[in-house]
Amino acid sequence: DQQVKQNSPSLSVQEGRISILNCDYTNSMFDYFLWYKKYPAEGPTFLISISSIKDKNEDGRFTVFLNKSAKHLSLHIVPSQPGDSAVYFCAPGYNQGGKLIFGQGTELSVKP
Amino acid sequence: EAGVAQSPRYKIIEKRQSVAFWCNPISGHATLYWYQQILGQGPKLLIQFQNNGVVDDSQLPKDRFSAERLKGVDSTLKIQPAKLEDSAVYLCASSKLTDTQYFGPGTRLTVL
Repeated sequence: DQQVKQNSPSLSVQEGRISILNCDYTNSMFDYFLWYKKYPAEGPTFLISISSIKDKNEDGRFTVFLNKSAKHLSLHIVPSQPGDSAVYFCAPGYNQGGKLIFGQGTELSVKP
Repeated sequence: EAGVAQSPRYKIIEKRQSVAFWCNPISGHATLYWYQQILGQGPKLLIQFQNNGVVDDSQLPKDRFSAERLKGVDSTLKIQPAKLEDSAVYLCASSKLTDTQYFGPGTRLTVL
């Protein structure tokens, strides 16, 4: 029973262009949604989050969009930079428990 | 501020042997998590502590895995006996309560 799905295992974009990473979920009880970035041989690092009461949150080059009716969220990176090359995980969670459910991850490669 | 510390970084053992991992969370963080990340998958929560009490261990294989958090600070995760399918990266994370989780670098376990 996979509650969180990132259907694209990999994504390649040119430097300066937009990167769009997608995530679908099945559980309507999630309260908030996080994105983590992971470099090889390191632990995941928090990138950006959005509460279930919002549909957009922006932080510099990173914007997360939430479509609750479609149970879909996406992460936009504009403009993409080579240093953004990493694996990105979406991770919905519950306000009351702290538990996160991670997707399988999407490996982003930004070409110079 | 020091991050989450984990040791060892790498461990190779044979099946049926025992292994233990250690985690030191960020100072002042009450909540500690252990995740298992199998290659190609997202991290999966094994156990969550708040101070030295267990909040969630529903996905911990209790016949072979055990974890403790004495004095509400450091934690150890043990596997005995190990199986081939336990090969994974074991990630420790901490948070103040149930807010943003900060991850350590992980321990890569290979079971031969």
